[in-house]
Amino acid sequence: LAKTTQPISMDSYEGQEVNITCSHNNIATNDYITWYQQFPSQGPRFIIQGYKTKVTNEVASLFIPADRKSSTLSLPRVSLSDTAVYYCLVGGGFGNEKLTFGTGTRLTIIP
Amino acid sequence: NAGVTQTPKFQVLKTGQSMTLQCAQDMNHNSMYWYRQDPGMGLRLIYYSASEGTTDKGEVPNGYNVSRLNKREFSLRLESAAPSQTSVYFCASSTDRGINSPLHFGNGTRLTVT
Repeated sequence: LAKTTQPISMDSYEGQEVNITCSHNNIATNDYITWYQQFPSQGPRFIIQGYKTKVTNEVASLFIPADRKSSTLSLPRVSLSDTAVYYCLVGGGFGNEKLTFGTGTRLTIIP
Repeated sequence: NAGVTQTPKFQVLKTGQSMTLQCAQDMNHNSMYWYRQDPGMGLRLIYYSASEGTTDKGEVPNGYNVSRLNKREFSLRLESAAPSQTSVYFCASSTDRGINSPLHFGNGTRLTVT
């Protein structure tokens, strides 16, 4: 299973774009990259998932380079409500039960 | 649009007591999961049910049992609670167990064992 490495914490000001990078050097061919967001006292919430290149939805963008050994979650124009922990998960055909949640990146938005 | 509902929200137990954490989903999902989250740590999988009628151990199953009562409900039982089981417990569900089926989480049960 691919192990992921992401920053423990990040701070950003309101209105800025925030990029959180995750390293996954041992990613396997059938692995997908998935990001979850967790607010205090809530369960994680799915943000975005991708396999290669770029994926965009109404919440975020996910950039995956050709070698897929890293990925970057991009949050445009963050607000205070984006303060949360963000988890990068890598997994594939073995099923959701094989996904591992690490400690994530604690993002703090400063007014 | 309830999603995944967990009860109770909070519980305090004495060592040796038993209890069952309840989880229900209304999204017609096939797969359901129980995780625990300890302070400053990520989530660890306790048990999962890939489909109705099946259950399997996750990463940290010791001290727990589960029941997939029907497609909607997946309960977690602590037969003899220990202080090491003090944690926040999250239930999740997904359309199926495949990676393309995002996990939908409840808001957790905060359990303290004294």
